[in-house]
Amino acid sequence: GAVVSQHPSRVICKSGTSVKIECRSLDFQATTMFWYRQFPKQSLMLMATSNEGSKATYEQGVEKDKFLINHASLTLSTLTVTSAHPEDSSFYICSAFPGSTEAFFGQGTRLTVV
Amino acid sequence: RKEVEQDPGPFNVPEGATVAFNCTYSNSASQSFFWYRQDCRKEPKLLMSVYSSGNEDGRFTAQLNRASQYISLLIRDSKLSDSATYLCVVNTGNQFYFGTGTSLTVIP
Repeated sequence: GAVVSQHPSRVICKSGTSVKIECRSLDFQATTMFWYRQFPKQSLMLMATSNEGSKATYEQGVEKDKFLINHASLTLSTLTVTSAHPEDSSFYICSAFPGSTEAFFGQGTRLTVV
Repeated sequence: RKEVEQDPGPFNVPEGATVAFNCTYSNSASQSFFWYRQDCRKEPKLLMSVYSSGNEDGRFTAQLNRASQYISLLIRDSKLSDSATYLCVVNTGNQFYFGTGTSLTVIP
């Protein structure tokens, strides 16, 4: 079946540094990928929709200059958390879907900013 | 109004019990419906799709009511391993919207 791979699974960084998270579709082409954030005991919240070859679409309240999304190929989207702060510590997860079928999720990245 | 509304629970049930979750969605044009399961600190994984005619997979039964815009998940003969968060997911115009998730704990 379709697989989405996300890397790294866990990262700890210092406040003020930037962190890049990669999301790859391994056996299908994904013109659209989605990035979510999940705080403890809360639901997945859509941050942005990543579109191959064009600008990402951000949800209301998500700073596009802080969460940079690049979708340079049909199998790779990256999310860069710039100048990370402790409040950015969260579980970030990407998903993609091959057409109109179910969504497949990456393994998630647990970001801790110290 | 949220795209998808779901009772967060928690539901604490004894082993062997039957438990049901409901979820409502706001957009009548929504096309596809799913139940996902999420274990602690893991990514959500598809439990089952939900079809208009209703569908069953072992102890799990999913139903869709388009007129009332809700979907349901019934779990029979609960097992300890069923303890997880169950997410209602609705596909609308190629966007996936998630409910808050319902927490289920099955108690020995």
